[in-house]
Amino acid sequence: EAQVTQNPRYLITVTGKKLTVICSQNMNHEYMSWYRQDPGLGLRQIYYSMNVEVTDKGDVPEGYKVSRKEKRNFPLILESPSPNQTSLYFCASSLHKATGQRGDDNQPQHFGDGTRLSIL
Amino acid sequence: AQKITQTQPGMFVQEKEAVTLDCTYDTSDPSYGLFWYKQPSSGEMIFLIYQGSYDQQNATEGRYSLNFQKARKSANLVISASQLGDSAMYFCAMRENTGGFKTIFGAGTRLFVKA
Repeated sequence: EAQVTQNPRYLITVTGKKLTVICSQNMNHEYMSWYRQDPGLGLRQIYYSMNVEVTDKGDVPEGYKVSRKEKRNFPLILESPSPNQTSLYFCASSLHKATGQRGDDNQPQHFGDGTRLSIL
Repeated sequence: AQKITQTQPGMFVQEKEAVTLDCTYDTSDPSYGLFWYKQPSSGEMIFLIYQGSYDQQNATEGRYSLNFQKARKSANLVISASQLGDSAMYFCAMRENTGGFKTIFGAGTRLFVKA
């Protein structure tokens, strides 16, 4: 089954304790992305990756790191979590054809089920 | 700078009626894509419909259609024949295609369908 898998789904931890949220997709998608969802703010992009070893900042990258060593995996790393990073996190992936043909770049994103992080 | 605005925090619609959810956007990129996603109370994000900036015709997917007015920079979602299962949060999103591929989302509209 085609899917984006996030682990863990729920995590309660304490300020300053490094954590990693795993994201994996089995659709051979080039584009992967992390978002956080907070009430009244919608989803805000943290980081995205166009392909292996290619990552770029979204709108709210501060306090987060990512890596893309393999095409299927895109972990989100919080080196020193703080309470303001308490949120619902989504990983997403999509094809990125980059053919130059109009419309080919715009592929819908497939989302994981979300990870609810609470930083105390 | 990119921006997506959804001005309706919440909306009510009677079952079987049509409803329009508003979305306006701002971009200087001539090439971009507009998306609508649905988030039911269970939390998952479900893709509904897509419109490309170069598309001449409005997109349709079953009961969903996108009223795309490029000059006004609006991309409203129209749901026809509303069903109780349409009660959910709806997000408008945009992705630019040049100079980066960031995606931005609006704050969302919560739709309540009344029986």
